[in-house]
Amino acid sequence: DVKVTQSSRYLVKRTGEKVFLECVQDMDHENMFWYRQDPGLGLRLIYFSYDVKMKEKGDIPEGYSVSREKKERFSLILESASTNQTSMYLCASSFVNYGYTFGSGTRLTVV
Amino acid sequence: AQSVTQLDSQVPVFEEAPVELRCNYSSSVSVYLFWYVQYPNQGLQLLLKYLSGSTLVESINGFEAEFNKSQTSFHLRKPSVHISDTAEYFCAVSPSDATNKLIFGTGTLLAVQP
Repeated sequence: DVKVTQSSRYLVKRTGEKVFLECVQDMDHENMFWYRQDPGLGLRLIYFSYDVKMKEKGDIPEGYSVSREKKERFSLILESASTNQTSMYLCASSFVNYGYTFGSGTRLTVV
Repeated sequence: AQSVTQLDSQVPVFEEAPVELRCNYSSSVSVYLFWYVQYPNQGLQLLLKYLSGSTLVESINGFEAEFNKSQTSFHLRKPSVHISDTAEYFCAVSPSDATNKLIFGTGTLLAVQP
């Protein structure tokens, strides 16, 4: 089975900190995605990547950046964390568009 | 562009009763359709998918969904639910011909009561 691992289940950070969320997949998938999940809003796409060093903005990229230096790793960066970035962050990977495999999520609280 | 509508934010149901979670989509191109389940404090898991072929697809735990192109729907059904089915269910769509992005609905919380 494909496994997508997010490095932290829970994080608490201070306003203004630079935050790194890490995601690693083990099935050589080209495509990787970062979503945030908020009650009543469902999943919203932040950034995605179709290949190493390639990235595209999703629906809500403001305040975020990403890095994909290796195929298996896709990092989400909060340049200067703010309280409105408190959320559940979900990473996913896929082969073509036959469905995603998700990580367990990182619940980030910014205080 | 594609969009997905899950009209019911929450569906309460008694154990062993049947349930239907509704999903409608909008798309100008042919699509793939998916249902994901999220148990508390976990990520999303793929429950079932429609890519092509038979319009009725089934999961290993008794759920089924039927692709209805004329009604642009992909409703999820189970004839008899268990307490353990309590979770949030997300419908998703992606275009079948190009991009890989899934568009998700806002989710339906299935609350099974004893």
